[in-house]
Amino acid sequence: DVKVTQSSRYLVKRTGEKVFLECVQDMDHENMFWYRQDPGLGLRLIYFSYDVKMKEKGDIPEGYSVSREKKERFSLILESASTNQTSMYLCASSLEGRSTEAFFGQGTRLTVV
Amino acid sequence: LAKTTQPISMDSYEGQEVNITCSHNNIATNDYITWYQQFPSQGPRFIIQGYKTKVTNEVASLFIPADRKSSTLSLPRVSLSDTAVYYCLVGDRAGGSYIPTFGRGTSLIVHP
Repeated sequence: DVKVTQSSRYLVKRTGEKVFLECVQDMDHENMFWYRQDPGLGLRLIYFSYDVKMKEKGDIPEGYSVSREKKERFSLILESASTNQTSMYLCASSLEGRSTEAFFGQGTRLTVV
Repeated sequence: LAKTTQPISMDSYEGQEVNITCSHNNIATNDYITWYQQFPSQGPRFIIQGYKTKVTNEVASLFIPADRKSSTLSLPRVSLSDTAVYYCLVGDRAGGSYIPTFGRGTSLIVHP
C-alpha cells in the first residue's frame, strides 16, 4: 500500500520558533510537494521538488524553506513561526511524467500561538 | 496554467447520481483533466483523469466533450460517505514536472 507519512498530526508552536515538518514517502517518487490549506482558499502550493537537493518555489514560499537531502524525505521549515502560518499543511508525492496522480499525507495541523 | 471554474457547493440525496461540471475554457492541447476528492481532516485523494471523451473506473466516470472546454465528474448512486470536496485540476503531465494546482473545489453534501 502506497504511503506518504507526515511526522505529526497536530503541532502547537510559539511565535518565533523554528518549526520542522517532515514528510516521508515509500514509493520512490521523484516529485514531492508541500501545500497549505486554509478555509475557503483551497490548497496553495508552497514549494515542490523534482529531485534530491532540487527545489522550486510555489505560489506562497515567503516565510518557508525546504530541504530534500534524500529522495524519500521532504522537509518544510518555518524559519520563525508566525500566527499567520497557523494552517493545515499537506505533503504529496508523484511519479515523474506518467500520471497526474499525486499521493497525499494525512496532513499536519499547525497552530502558532 | 488553465483556470478552472466549478460550483462552490452541491446537495444531493442517497442513491442519486451526481454530476459536477468544471469549466476550463483556456485548456491547452497537452493538458489533462484530473479530479480529486477530499474528506475533512484528510489529504486529497485522486479519483480519475482523462484527456478526451469518456473515462470510467470503479469510483466515477469523467465526461469530456470534443472541445475539452469543460468536463463532468459523474458519481453513480451516491451514499453519505461521498460527502466531500471535489476538485477539478487541469495541467500538462508531460516533461516530469506536473504540478497539481487546486482551486476551491465543490463541496458535495449527500443527505439521507
